[in-house]
Amino acid sequence: SAVISQKPSRDICQRGTSLTIQCQVDSQVTMMFWYRQQPGQSLTLIATANQGSEATYESGFVIDKFPISRPNLTFSTLTVSNMSPEDSSIYLCSVNRANEQFFGPGTRLTVL
Amino acid sequence: GQQLNQSPQSMFIQEGEDVSMNCTSSSIFNTWLWYKQDPGEGPVLLIALYKAGELTSNGRLTAQFGITRKDSFLNISASIPSDVGIYFCAGLPISSGSARQLTFGSGTQLTVLP
Repeated sequence: SAVISQKPSRDICQRGTSLTIQCQVDSQVTMMFWYRQQPGQSLTLIATANQGSEATYESGFVIDKFPISRPNLTFSTLTVSNMSPEDSSIYLCSVNRANEQFFGPGTRLTVL
Repeated sequence: GQQLNQSPQSMFIQEGEDVSMNCTSSSIFNTWLWYKQDPGEGPVLLIALYKAGELTSNGRLTAQFGITRKDSFLNISASIPSDVGIYFCAGLPISSGSARQLTFGSGTQLTVLP
């Protein structure tokens, strides 16, 4: 398994501001994944964070809106920029080990 | 992209009853994963399946990888109140082992009545 922690666990933000979410993994991994889970919905992959290179974004997600950092093999951040109420979701960090995908506890974001 | 149909969308059962949920895919999958998500938490991996026909148990949970490689089911026996939560299936297509291709079902909301 993998031990993944995220900060903050939840936040309430004003429209137009930005929030940076941190993810820490208990051991080194090549790729870290960021997912979004909108209220009552399933999980959608935002991007894959690779150490030493730019993140790979999925269709519908762009770097200007969701910039990602990956300074080392155990840490990544996701920023939700210029937030609107539509960005209210749970944001989840995830890693893959031996074909099994593990998730952090999530960051519950509410945008007013 | 991949399509995963998960059913039922929600279930209300009495404590002690067995429950079954399933996922079907429009294409062949290489790996099936089953998760449980409690309110305010991230999904927790329950069972991973890698071979067609594979039947795997984890306590009161049993999951099977369908022979056609396009479906999987999860059974919970003798349900208890702490089984309440949302159960998700997820699959990796056979054409790619990349975790980027992991597709999730829409979830089954399970409620256990005392």
